[in-house]
Amino acid sequence: GAVVSQHPSWVICKSGTSVKIECRSLDFQATTMFWYRQFPKQSLMLMATSNEGSKATYEQGVEKDKFLINHASLTLSTLTVTSAHPEDSSFYICSARDSRRASYNEQFFGPGTRLTVL
Amino acid sequence: RKEVEQDPGPFNVPEGATVAFNCTYSNSASQSFFWYRQDCRKEPKLLMSVYSSGNEDGRFTAQLNRASQYISLLIRDSKLSDSATYLCVVNGATGKLIFGQGTTLQVKP
Repeated sequence: GAVVSQHPSWVICKSGTSVKIECRSLDFQATTMFWYRQFPKQSLMLMATSNEGSKATYEQGVEKDKFLINHASLTLSTLTVTSAHPEDSSFYICSARDSRRASYNEQFFGPGTRLTVL
Repeated sequence: RKEVEQDPGPFNVPEGATVAFNCTYSNSASQSFFWYRQDCRKEPKLLMSVYSSGNEDGRFTAQLNRASQYISLLIRDSKLSDSATYLCVVNGATGKLIFGQGTTLQVKP
């Protein structure tokens, strides 16, 4: 149980285009999902917290108009990188939390999406 | 100062060795602590939670010292398959997970 999927697993796009990444909880409902970004040899950095049915909460320094998050259902959150540039190339990982589980703080991670912007 | 600090390593050890990783955190209000393992170009996977009384899972032992705000992970009888980056993770004040930079372990034959 507690499987999280992400799609696509990797994407290469031209500068200026927008890219949508999907995060799905496959066998549980996730009222809260998280989006992280990881640059090479660095740690995961939280970008935003996505709450079902409400606006996402962005971390300081993350542009909400550039990284659009939609959490329209209890099993799906999407991150859209708008007008992507080479500096947005990174490993984007989502995680989901199932509030019904005993270990409430445990997050289940998706396999990540590797974005390369040319 | 980073909220969660780890020595990035790398730690190069022979098979069978015992290796220990340390981690310090800055927020004394943190309540939950974890060790995650991350393989190259993969997502992090939960290795074990860390409890105040210390806990063991096979060859892995985790300990927490709240007074010193210090967490440790001990790996005994290292295997080649233990080679990975080990992330110290702390539940922050707002309930968010704060990740350390990670400590890289290379186990050599």
